[in-house]
Amino acid sequence: AQSVTQPDIHITVSEGASLELRCNYSYGATPYLFWYVQSPGQGLQLLLKYFSGDTLVQGIKGFEAEFKRSQSSFNLRKPSVHWSDAAEYFCASSPLSHFGNEKLTFGTGTRLTIIP
Amino acid sequence: DTAVSQTPKYLVTQMGNDKSIKCEQNLGHDTMYWYKQDSKKFLKIMFSYNNKELIINETVPNRFSPKSPDKAHLNLHINSLELGDSAVYFCASSQTSGPRLDTQYFGPGTRLTVL
Repeated sequence: AQSVTQPDIHITVSEGASLELRCNYSYGATPYLFWYVQSPGQGLQLLLKYFSGDTLVQGIKGFEAEFKRSQSSFNLRKPSVHWSDAAEYFCASSPLSHFGNEKLTFGTGTRLTIIP
Repeated sequence: DTAVSQTPKYLVTQMGNDKSIKCEQNLGHDTMYWYKQDSKKFLKIMFSYNNKELIINETVPNRFSPKSPDKAHLNLHINSLELGDSAVYFCASSQTSGPRLDTQYFGPGTRLTVL
């Protein structure tokens, strides 16, 4: 069965500093990969997704992620964080399955705190 | 206008009661989902419907029964509520459930507390 691991439960970063959130997936083939953000009291918003092709994916809000097959990783990065980036971040994957049966498997999330 | 809306936002109830959570999407999507987020923020899919037809049912107790009166609505009814049902329930929708798994849009969540 596929699984998604986010090794960091909580990360604290200074405003303006760079950010990298880690995500590792476990699956026989390359899955579809996603990063979602959940602001306090809100639903999840898609930041970016990877299906195939260019391994560096650009998303919204200045985020990007790089797919590395050799490391089974899909880490999320941002060069300079803003206080509004404080939120919970979820990595998710979906297998390349037949029509109508895809489902997202989520990691346990990484809580990002921004300090002035 | 809110793309995916859920009601109520908060639900506090006693053990053993029956309750429903409603979800509506105005995006014209074909597929809708229910997810459960536990106290440790772990998100897990419960159900998925495509054009009112159940396509994913993830070993959820029979006490949980989704109902899709039309493709814009997916309601979740829970019978005989238990303490372990306390969680945040998220509804989501996507254009299709096909191989490319179109972006899922999430509602704001319903925080259910069972006393």
